[in-house]
Formats: sequence, structure tokens, C-alpha cells
Amino acid sequence: QVQLQEAGPGLVKPSGTLSLTCAVFGGSISSGNWWSWVRQPPGKGLEWIGEMYHSGSGNTNYNPSLKSRVSISVDKSKKQFSLKLTSVTAADTAVYFCARGSQLRGWLDAWGQGVLVTISS
Amino acid sequence: EIVLTQSPATLSLSPGESATLSCRASQSVSTYLAWYQQKPGQAPRLLIYDASIRATGIPARFSGSGSGTDFTLTIRSLEPEDFAVYYCQQRSIWPPYTFGQGTKLEVK
Repeated sequence: QVQLQEAGPGLVKPSGTLSLTCAVFGGSISSGNWWSWVRQPPGKGLEWIGEMYHSGSGNTNYNPSLKSRVSISVDKSKKQFSLKLTSVTAADTAVYFCARGSQLRGWLDAWGQGVLVTISS
Repeated sequence: EIVLTQSPATLSLSPGESATLSCRASQSVSTYLAWYQQKPGQAPRLLIYDASIRATGIPARFSGSGSGTDFTLTIRSLEPEDFAVYYCQQRSIWPPYTFGQGTKLEVK
């Protein structure tokens, strides 16, 4: 059973870059899944950030509201994928979840436990 | 962007009762809709995908229905562990693959 584990700084300064990684355990990262990121501001709902399809093509989809600031990449050798969000503001304070999207349609069938990232000076 | 509107915002029921949660899309998403359950301090869990297919390990008391713009999650005979927040998500043609704002199912 695949397990995901986020890692990264819990505090980022405004205008800086938020960088998180997600390690994949108990499954392949080359199995044609959608490797995804979702965030949740404190006390609020879920926001889809984006995804990368890792099966050679490396197709990515991003939320247009974040597209100019976000990038997702996969490191097959380390069995992990990453999120970078630039020019962050307090509005980017949230719990960030990594998730695996199913092969057929991308439904998020495995999740990390989430990591709180606070944007503050 | 497709907007998903969930209702009600809060549903107060007792264990043993049945719950009906609604998700309405601003345009057709065919059957490309999923339901997730989230408990406090936890990650969401996939319950239903493609509108009506239960994910692995999900009890039969959870069922989903609908197509196009109107979808329903039904939970029969509520168990204590079912009280949580439920989100719908669509994966229609183009991103962003939006979530609804959530329905909180609380103990009456």
C-alpha cells in the first residue's frame, strides 16, 4: 500500500519561495499516476494546486490562479516529487497535502498527512 | 472554471439515521465527480469516484449517484465515525479540478 510523506520548511518569508517534497513509499513513482498537490488554508476548504503525470511524458496541469508561480516536478531516482511556489504571501499559508492520482482518471486515492506552511516574516 | 456548490453547509443527524449530501456543478462534468471524507487533523480520504463507484475498502453504506450537474452522496445508517466534512471534486475536461466548499456532517 503506497504511503506519501511531505517534507519542507514550516515557515517561509513573504516574497520567498515555498518548496516541499513528497516521498513515495511502498509503490512505484513510475506507474503512470498523477502526482498531485492540494492545499487547505486554516479552517477552510480544499484547493487543487496541480499535478504531474509521470510516465515518460511529464505532462503537468496547474491551477490557473497559481500557474505563473507554481511548478511540480518528479525525481524518479529519489522516488519523490516536489512543489515550488514563488512570490508567496500570507494568503499562501495553508496545510499542503501531496497525493497520488489514480491512473485512469486522476482521482486522489492516496494522501500524505499534510504539512502546515506559514508565510510570515 | 467549474464551480461546485455543496449543500447543506452543515447537516445535523443522529447515528443510525441516513444522510443525503448534494453537490451541484456550474456546468456538466458528466460522471467525472468524486467524494472525499475529511476528519479533523487528517488528510481527505477518497470515498466515491466516477460519481458512483466506491473506492477500495469503503463500506457499502456509502453510495453516490448523479450525472451532468447534480450529484448526491448518501450515507445509510450513520456510524459514529461517519461524522466529518465531505467534499466533492470534479475532473472534467480542463483544470482546475475544483473542490466544493464542503458539507460538515455533525452529531445532532
